[in-house]
Amino acid sequence: GAVVSQHPSRVICKSGTSVKIECRSLDFQATTMFWYRQFPKKSLMLMATSNEGSKATYEQGVEKDKFLINHASLTLSTLTVTSAHPEDSSFYICSARARVIDTQYFGPGTRLTVL
Amino acid sequence: AQTVTQSQPEMSVQEAETVTLSCTYDTSESDYYLFWYKQPPSRQMILVIRQEAYKQQNATENRFSVNFQKAAKSFSLKISDSQLGDAAMYFCAYRSYTYSGGGADGLTFGKGTHLIIQP
Repeated sequence: GAVVSQHPSRVICKSGTSVKIECRSLDFQATTMFWYRQFPKKSLMLMATSNEGSKATYEQGVEKDKFLINHASLTLSTLTVTSAHPEDSSFYICSARARVIDTQYFGPGTRLTVL
Repeated sequence: AQTVTQSQPEMSVQEAETVTLSCTYDTSESDYYLFWYKQPPSRQMILVIRQEAYKQQNATENRFSVNFQKAAKSFSLKISDSQLGDAAMYFCAYRSYTYSGGGADGLTFGKGTHLIIQP
C-alpha cells in the first residue's frame, strides 16, 4: 500500500515552454501533497505544499507564478513549470500524506531538462 | 526554522558489519517527528524508520535502529549486518508535529550521507 506515482519520469523541453508533472496517490486519498526539488548530489528542498481544494503554500524564494500547483482531487496534484529555463532543470519529487497516515510517501521523481 | 545536519558526506562499511550514521537537528519545538529515508540510485525515496519525539523508546525496524537523544538533539541511525542492498544515500529529516498547514508540514532534510558497502 501507500504508492505514489509521478508522470512523466523524464521530460526534455525547449526554453520558454511549459511542462506539467503529475503526482498521483494510487491506493489512498492524499489530503496533502508536497513538491520537492533535488539538484544533483544535493538534498531535497521543499518547494510548496498543496492541500486538496485550496491554494498551495510556497516556500520562501519559490516563485508561485513560475511553479503552478493544482491539487484538484484527493489523488492528484500537478506541478506546472511555466516558461521553463535551463536553470529550472532539476529532479522534482512529490510526496503525499493521508489524513490518517502520518507519514509522507514519495513518488519516483521526474527529471526535467530544459534546453 | 528547523535545521538538520548530517556531518558525514560519505561512509564506508564492510558487508555484514555495523555502521552508524549521524544526524543532529536544531528546533525550538518540543513535539516533532524524525525520519531516516534511503535514496538508492533509482532516486526513489524509501522510508527507513521514523521516531516520534514524545516517545522515549528508540525506534527499530529489523536491522535498522535509531539512537534518539532528545536533549542533545541527536538522531543517529544504526544499520546492523550491512548488506549490499543498503548502499544508497541516507537522508535524515525533521517534521513538525502539529498540522499547521503549509510548509510546517513539509520535511526538512539534511544534506545526506552516501553509504558504501564493501563486499
